[in-house]
Amino acid sequence: GAGVSQSPSNKVTEKGKDVELRCDPISGHTALYWYRQSLGQGLEFLIYFQGNSAPDKSGLPSDRFSAERTGGSVSTLTIQRTQQEDSAVYLCASSPGTFYTGELFFGEGSRLTVL
Amino acid sequence: SQKIEQNSEALNIQEGKTATLTCNYTNYSPAYLQWYRQDPGRGPVFLLLIRENEKEKRKERLKVTFDTTLKQSLFHITASQPADSATYLCALDNGGSQGNLIFGKGTKLSVKP
Repeated sequence: GAGVSQSPSNKVTEKGKDVELRCDPISGHTALYWYRQSLGQGLEFLIYFQGNSAPDKSGLPSDRFSAERTGGSVSTLTIQRTQQEDSAVYLCASSPGTFYTGELFFGEGSRLTVL
Repeated sequence: SQKIEQNSEALNIQEGKTATLTCNYTNYSPAYLQWYRQDPGRGPVFLLLIRENEKEKRKERLKVTFDTTLKQSLFHITASQPADSATYLCALDNGGSQGNLIFGKGTKLSVKP
C-alpha cells in the first residue's frame, strides 16, 4: 500500500479482555516496529521485526504482550488480559531494513482504551 | 543507556519568529539524529536526519544542527507559521539495539498569529 496501515484505529475494551492490533507495513519494507505512546509521553519502544524474526523483545512491558509477523509483511500485536495501564496509542512503523538509517514511516496508530 | 531530553514541553512563539527546539542526549554520541513532527491524533512524520559528521542540515525553513561536544541538537523553524504548530520529536540512533531509534518526549510548539 501507499503507507503504513493500522487497524483498528480505535478500540475500547473491558479490563481482562484480549485485544489484537494489526499493522500492514509499506510493501517491500523488511523492518517493522511497534511503539506505544501514552498521554503526554514519548514513544516507548516495544518490539521490532527484521523479516519475520524479532531480534529484540526487551521492550515488551510484560508477558501479556506478544507480537508476530508472518510472510514478512503484516504484524499483529496481542495484549492478553488487558489492564487499564495498557491504555495508549500503539504506533507501528516500517523501514526498508534495520540497517537503513533513514526515516521510519509511521501509521496513524491504534488508540486502545481499557475500561 | 542512552537518554534523551527535549528541554521544553511547550514553546509558544509569535508568527514570523524563529522557533528553536533543543534535544540533548546523555551518553554516547549517536551516529545520526532525526527530527519528526507529530500532529494530534496522527503518527509522527519524518522531517530531517543529520549525521555525526555533519554540523548543519537545512530543508526549506527548517535547520538542524548537531554538536557532539555539547551532546545537543538544535532544531530551528524560521519565519514560523501557525501551520507549524505541532509536537516535534527528536530521535537518536541507539547503537543497534531496540530497533535503532529512541525518541524524546517531544516539544509542543504553538505559533500564534
